[in-house]
Amino acid sequence: NAGVTQTPKFQVLKTGQSMTLQCAQDMNHNSMYWYRQDPGMGLRLIYYSASEGTTDKGEVPNGYNVSRLNKREFSLRLESAAPSQTSVYFCASSEAGGAIGGNQPQHFGDGTRLSIL
Amino acid sequence: AQSVTQPDIHITVSEGASLELRCNYSYGATPYLFWYVQSPGQGLQLLLKYFSGDTLVQGIKGFEAEFKRSQSSFNLRKPSVHWSDAAEYFCAMNRDDKIIFGKGTRLHILP
Repeated sequence: NAGVTQTPKFQVLKTGQSMTLQCAQDMNHNSMYWYRQDPGMGLRLIYYSASEGTTDKGEVPNGYNVSRLNKREFSLRLESAAPSQTSVYFCASSEAGGAIGGNQPQHFGDGTRLSIL
Repeated sequence: AQSVTQPDIHITVSEGASLELRCNYSYGATPYLFWYVQSPGQGLQLLLKYFSGDTLVQGIKGFEAEFKRSQSSFNLRKPSVHWSDAAEYFCAMNRDDKIIFGKGTRLHILP
């Protein structure tokens, strides 16, 4: 019962390097999400995909891009990493289809801890 | 503006004592409300949810929460905490194409 799987679990980058964070879910969920978690800030939504083939910006999208590769997979890319992007990144999925904000809870992966030097 | 506020950043209780974590929301109507728990190094796990109907909802691990419309609150409670309850707790609100999390309350348990 894997749920939401994120890879890698840890990563250290140098400023300016690029990287893709991978996320896959095996629950046949329609919606997928990327969050970042910073001390004292809670979770902030970066991008989401309400359904396969669609992506939309969340609260803090600058410096990131996403791809909804298929129904299972939703990747987050940092094209040119900056120290301000040091954070813990969480991927989540939910059954909600169409617009977000529905009554379905989200299921979270265990996170990717990313440090940018 | 829509928001979720968790007034307490840290709370410390003794093992076996009762617990109440506060959550207030700002929204014009009744939102969908959730409580999640995050153990160290882990993702968030759903404890319970409220959509409508009975204002007292039961969740996993012995937690419950009460929705009070008049106070715009959705406080989480547990009658007797265990050392394993030490974690960070997040209140969240879904409505109108928005998903908003509170900033979390970290629960410490004294032996």
